[in-house]
Amino acid sequence: AQSVTQPDIHITVSEGASLELRCNYSYGATPYLFWYVQSPGQGLQLLLKYFSGDTLVQGIKGFEAEFKRSQSSFNLRKPSVHWSDAAEYFCAVVGAGSYQLTFGKGTKLSVIP
Amino acid sequence: NAGVTQTPKFRILKIGQSMTLQCTQDMNHNYMYWYRQDPGMGLKLIYYSVGAGITDKGEVPNGYNVSRSTTEDFPLRLELAAPSQTSVYFCASSHLAGAGTDTQYFGPGTRLTVL
Repeated sequence: AQSVTQPDIHITVSEGASLELRCNYSYGATPYLFWYVQSPGQGLQLLLKYFSGDTLVQGIKGFEAEFKRSQSSFNLRKPSVHWSDAAEYFCAVVGAGSYQLTFGKGTKLSVIP
Repeated sequence: NAGVTQTPKFRILKIGQSMTLQCTQDMNHNYMYWYRQDPGMGLKLIYYSVGAGITDKGEVPNGYNVSRSTTEDFPLRLELAAPSQTSVYFCASSHLAGAGTDTQYFGPGTRLTVL
């Protein structure tokens, strides 16, 4: 069965600082990986996704993520955080032929002005 | 183009009552999904549909029912509400046929409390 672990429940960074949110997955074959963002009181919005090819993927809002098969990781990064990035971030995985996205428990990001 | 819309936004139910959560999408997507989100637990799939007339169970289907009579609508029914169903419910849709690899577009959610 596929699973996702986001080790950090809550992260606080200063505006302008760099950000890395961790995601580790468990899946027997090559997974399809996603990062979603949820602003307070809102639904989820896709930031980026990885299916194959280049292991560094670019997303919206200046985010990027790197797939590392050897570490079973798909960490999300941003070089300079803006106050508007404060939200909850979810990593998700789906296996080939499956309809079921499996989500991590989320990492809440707070940004200090 | 409104995307995925959900009604109501908030609802309080008494134990044993029933209700239907409405979900509509105007993107002509074949695939639709219902998730529930509990604090600190991420999202879990309740039911999904690959097209009108076709539905299937997800990870946590007990206590819920769905139907899909049109491409646009995918209502979620709670027959006998229980406190364990207190949650935020999200509907989502996606376009491409084939697994869950396409981008899923989420509605704003329905916050349900069962007392």
